[in-house]
Amino acid sequence: DSGVTQTPKHLITATGQRVTLRCSPRSGDLSVYWYQQSLDQGLQFLIQYYNGEERAKGNILERFSAQQFPDLHSELNLSSLELGDSALYFCASSQGVSEGDTQYFGPGTRLTVL
Amino acid sequence: GENVEQHPSTLSVQEGDSAVIKCTYSDSASNYFPWYKQELGKRPQLIIDIRSNVGEKKDQRIAVTLNKTAKHFSLHITETQPEDSAVYFCAAYRGGGNKLTFGTGTQLKVEL
Repeated sequence: DSGVTQTPKHLITATGQRVTLRCSPRSGDLSVYWYQQSLDQGLQFLIQYYNGEERAKGNILERFSAQQFPDLHSELNLSSLELGDSALYFCASSQGVSEGDTQYFGPGTRLTVL
Repeated sequence: GENVEQHPSTLSVQEGDSAVIKCTYSDSASNYFPWYKQELGKRPQLIIDIRSNVGEKKDQRIAVTLNKTAKHFSLHITETQPEDSAVYFCAAYRGGGNKLTFGTGTQLKVEL
C-alpha cells in the first residue's frame, strides 16, 4: 500500500457525461500528479499540482480539468466524455518539487464510457 | 520535450535466467531515472531508481545501470522468478517541475 488513495475504484458512465475522480496523497506529500493509462498503453502524464498550484501540464485535453484543494487532495474532472476516454486513471504523489522526487502511485480509477 | 524509448516491448525468459530491459532518453538534462513494475490491473510500483551522479545501483536481484554519455539506462533482473512477470516501465525526469516521462513498457514473462 503506497498511502495514496483514489476513489472510486470503478466508474461506468455514458458518452457526454461528466465525472470527478478523487485522490488523496500520502501524508506529508505536497505534489499530486494525474496519469492516464489506456488499454495496452503506457502512462501518459496529464497534469501536476504542487501545494494547490498547477505546476506542469502534459497531454491533458481541454475537456479535462483538475484542482488541488487546501487539504492537498486533488480532483480530476472529465467532461463531455467520449468512448476513447475509457482508461485507468492514476494519481501519484511526492514530497515536493525537488530533484527527482519519488512518485508513489494510487490504486487507480477504472473509467468505462459506454 | 523528453522522449524515452524502451526495448524490448515483450520479453520471455526461463525461470532462473536473467532479463535485461533497455531505455534511451533524449534530453541530456534528465537526471533521475526510476523503474516501475506494474502487475495486471494494479498500480505501478517503484522497484529501483538511479540518479545521474551514479553509474550503477543494485538491490538484491535487481540492478540498474546508467550511461549518461550514451543517454541510456538498463534494468537487470537476475535469477528470475515467476512473480517477476509483469510490465516494467522506465522513466526519465528532467528538472523544472517534477515531470516524469515514461517509456512504453516491457511485458516480462518468466516461464517455468
